[in-house]
Amino acid sequence: EAGVAQSPRYKIIEKRQSVAFWCNPISGHATLYWYQQILGQGPKLLIQFQNNGVVDDSQLPKDRFSAERLKGVDSTLKIQPAKLEDSAVYLCASSLEGRRATTDTQYFGPGTRLTVL
Amino acid sequence: AQSVTQLDSHVSVSEGTPVLLRCNYSSSYSPSLFWYVQHPNKGLQLLLKYTSAATLVKGINGFEAEFKKSETSFHLTKPSAHMSDAAEYFCVVSHSGNTGKLIFGQGTTLQVKP
Repeated sequence: EAGVAQSPRYKIIEKRQSVAFWCNPISGHATLYWYQQILGQGPKLLIQFQNNGVVDDSQLPKDRFSAERLKGVDSTLKIQPAKLEDSAVYLCASSLEGRRATTDTQYFGPGTRLTVL
Repeated sequence: AQSVTQLDSHVSVSEGTPVLLRCNYSSSYSPSLFWYVQHPNKGLQLLLKYTSAATLVKGINGFEAEFKKSETSFHLTKPSAHMSDAAEYFCVVSHSGNTGKLIFGQGTTLQVKP
C-alpha cells in the first residue's frame, strides 16, 4: 500500500515570497491533516479536512496560510507571504475516517522542510 | 484542555540496556494516548496506542507502555535498546472532541551508544 506522498521535500525561499506544498493521502482516506513542526517541538495541527470540508482550522494563521482539498483527495497548503518564523517541517497525514483517534490511525508523510531566509 | 509533558528532552542509553521515556498527561476525561517515533528524514510512525482497554499496551519493535491513571503517566519502555531505536519519540494525547485531532508533546531524542 502506498503511503502519504508529499512534495517538495525541501524548499528555501526569501521572506515575503510565497510557497505551496502538495500532499496526496493514502487512497480511500477521507480525512487529511496538515501539521507544522518547528525545530525542537512536536507537530501542531494547522488544518483538518474531512473529504473536501474543513473540520478544524483554529490554529491556521489565516492572514497568510491557506489550504484546499477541492476534490476530496489531494491537498495544497500555501503560505503568502512567508515570514522567518514559518521555517519548519510541514507534515501531511491521513486517516480513514478521522472521527475517533482511538480507532483511526493517522499515517504521516515524510514532510516538507521549509527554510525562510 | 488536554496536554502531554515529556519529562526528558534527551535520553542516552547503551545498546542492550533498558529504555525508559517518560510522559505525563493532563486530561479532563479518560484520554486516548499514543507514542509515535520519528526517524531522521522519515515520517512519523505509530508505536502503540492506549484506548481504555488493557493498561499495559504492547507496540511494535518490542516497545510497551503502561497507563497509570493515579500518576497521570504513560511511560514508554523497552527491555533492550538497539542501535536502530535511535530517533525522536513523541507522546501524544487525543483531543476531547470526536475529530481525531492529536496533541503532541515536545519530543524526546533517544541516543543509543554502541
